[in-house]
Amino acid sequence: GAVVSQHPSRVICKSGTSVKIECRSLDFQATTMFWYRQFPKQSLMLMATSNEGSKATYEQGVEKDKFLINHASLTLSTLTVTSAHPEDSSFYICSAREGADLNEKLFFGSGTQLSVL
Amino acid sequence: AQKITQTQPGMFVQEKEAVTLDCTYDTSDPSYGLFWYKQPSSGEMIFLIYQGSYDQQNATEGRYSLNFQKARKSANLVISASQLGDSAMYFCAMREVTGNQFYFGTGTSLTVIP
Repeated sequence: GAVVSQHPSRVICKSGTSVKIECRSLDFQATTMFWYRQFPKQSLMLMATSNEGSKATYEQGVEKDKFLINHASLTLSTLTVTSAHPEDSSFYICSAREGADLNEKLFFGSGTQLSVL
Repeated sequence: AQKITQTQPGMFVQEKEAVTLDCTYDTSDPSYGLFWYKQPSSGEMIFLIYQGSYDQQNATEGRYSLNFQKARKSANLVISASQLGDSAMYFCAMREVTGNQFYFGTGTSLTVIP
C-alpha cells in the first residue's frame, strides 16, 4: 500500500531555534498534503493544506509566518517551525492523498514529536 | 456545530468479544465519505474502513464493519472478535464532496481486556 514517510520522528530543540519536518510520499504522487497537530489524548487539528507548487492554505488561528510550509514537489512537503517556543511542543503529523476522488483515503506519516526546551 | 461527534471517550471490551464505536456526523452535502482510522500508542494513523454516502451496502474489511445509518447520520465501527492489538485510539472522519478537508472526531480510546 501507499507509504508516507515523515522525518524526524522525534526532535528536541532549544527555544528560539527552527525545526524542519519532512513528509514524503514514497510510492505515489501527492497532489495534496495536510499538516496536523495533535495534543495528548486529543484529536487531530488541521494546520494547513499544502498543494504542490502553490502556497499553503492555513487554518484560522495558525500563524503562517511561524509554521512555514513548502510543497516543492509532488512527493515532498516540509513544515518548518520557526523560532520554536515551549508552547509549540506537540505531535505533528502529515498526511497525503493521491487523487481528489471522494473515496481517496489519507495516508499518514508516523508523526514527529517536537519538544522545545 | 461539530462535523463529527464521537461520544465515547473510552471503551473496554473483553478479548474475543465484539465492540461498537459510535460516530455521528453533520453535513448538508449530498455526497460525502466516511472513514475510520486507528492510532496505536506509536502515533501512526492506520486506515481501517471507508463508507461512501451513496454506497448501498455497509462496508466491511476483515474484522471491521461499518454500521451506516444514513437517516440517523451515524457511521458506527464494529470490531468483531477483539484482539489485544486492537487497543488504540479510534478516529472517525468525514470528507464532503464540496471540500478538500477531512474532519476528525475527538476519538475513542479502546482497551481490550485479556
